[in-house]
Amino acid sequence: EAGVVQSPRYKIIEKKQPVAFWCNPISGHNTLYWYRQNLGQGPELLIRYENEEAVDDSQLPKDRFSAERLKGVDSTLKIQPAELGDSAVYLCASTSSERGFFSEQFFGPGTRLTVL
Amino acid sequence: DAKTTQPTSMDCAEGRAANLPCNHSTISGNEYVYWYRQIHSQGPQYIIHGLKNNETNEMASLIITEDRKSSTLILPHATLRDTAVYYCIVRVRGGSNFGNEKLTFGTGTRLTIIP
Repeated sequence: EAGVVQSPRYKIIEKKQPVAFWCNPISGHNTLYWYRQNLGQGPELLIRYENEEAVDDSQLPKDRFSAERLKGVDSTLKIQPAELGDSAVYLCASTSSERGFFSEQFFGPGTRLTVL
Repeated sequence: DAKTTQPTSMDCAEGRAANLPCNHSTISGNEYVYWYRQIHSQGPQYIIHGLKNNETNEMASLIITEDRKSSTLILPHATLRDTAVYYCIVRVRGGSNFGNEKLTFGTGTRLTIIP
């Protein structure tokens, strides 16, 4: 079974440019997460989807970040415009709700963003 | 969620047992202890979780003290592939209809397996 797929793996842009990250979760997983991981730190949640509904976006900087999961499957995270401080690894994770609280989160390899 | 404290780094000889401690002295009765690890350039990977009883699976064992204020993750025969950052996470059960709330990561323990 394929794991969580993310693209691109690496992205280098100049500040003020837009950037988008794509995630395809494990088939059948209705919960999808976007995390951001700064260097030397653990991942921090940006947004959580249950199917196509964003149920927790309290940590998403809404002035420049947006996300969508239109059909409840794959998802896109966008930054516009990017700032130097956005340099980080952006991780996507998914889980099934079958086991509820005990459902394991499966993470993709992440997209490493460098803003120059 | 309760805060956890872990050593910044540890070394372990290949083939020996790696014992990773975690302090969660403010844990409450409905909070579970979870362990994830992150190998370089990969996303985090689930290892094990527990409430109050010791747990074992194919990857590791989790020992939780009787007062639940601390726990130890044990990798019984460490290999070079176990070199990673290990995160101890405390998760509260309840308060959501979905149950798939976020994971709150700290900075973890960087475990290096020495050949």
